[in-house]
Amino acid sequence: DGGITQSPKYLFRKEGQNVTLSCEQNLNHDAMYWYRQDPGQGLRLIYYSQIVNDFQKGDIAEGYSVSREKKESFPLTVTSAQKNPTAFYLCASTPPGSNSSPLHFGNGTRLTVT
Amino acid sequence: GQNIDQPTEMTATEGAIVQINCTYQTSGFNGLFWYQQHAGEAPTFLSYNVLDGLEEKGRFSSFLSRSKGYSYLLLKELQMKDSASYLCAVLDSNYQLIWGAGTKLIIKP
Repeated sequence: DGGITQSPKYLFRKEGQNVTLSCEQNLNHDAMYWYRQDPGQGLRLIYYSQIVNDFQKGDIAEGYSVSREKKESFPLTVTSAQKNPTAFYLCASTPPGSNSSPLHFGNGTRLTVT
Repeated sequence: GQNIDQPTEMTATEGAIVQINCTYQTSGFNGLFWYQQHAGEAPTFLSYNVLDGLEEKGRFSSFLSRSKGYSYLLLKELQMKDSASYLCAVLDSNYQLIWGAGTKLIIKP
């Protein structure tokens, strides 16, 4: 079955440490996205990538970094510069061909930084 | 600024009908999505409206009025498994998604 896999589901880190969240898809989708979800707020876009080796900042990119070396993979690094990293992180993708295609989401990674 | 408003929480009874409203103010409009999200899980796509009117998909229907900046999601014959958050999102003129904070729907037996 095709889908998006995020790992791990839960992640705990100490303040000051960088941490990388994995996102892999086998849907052959070109575009991939990282969102952050906090209680009482809408999803906020961190980074997105329309094609391999290219990515753009979203609304809240500060303190985060990404890479897109392969079509299937779009890892997100939460750096120590991110002031409030504790959140639920969602990776998503869309197929090529339409700007209005619905997002396919992974099951998310809940990151807790203490 | 761009804004999507949804009620924070709603409660309904199993077997009943519930309507979840979404109002939006965005720079341009290229469609409106509804997603369902169970706690701790991924959002899943429910519907997409770009023209005015009602779209029906089984127990779920979605309505759009572009002139009023308004949409609703109608859930019929509610089941306990419908307890979830329902997210409204609008594609703006740049095809960027603007998300509402979601409506938590609680179904009581």
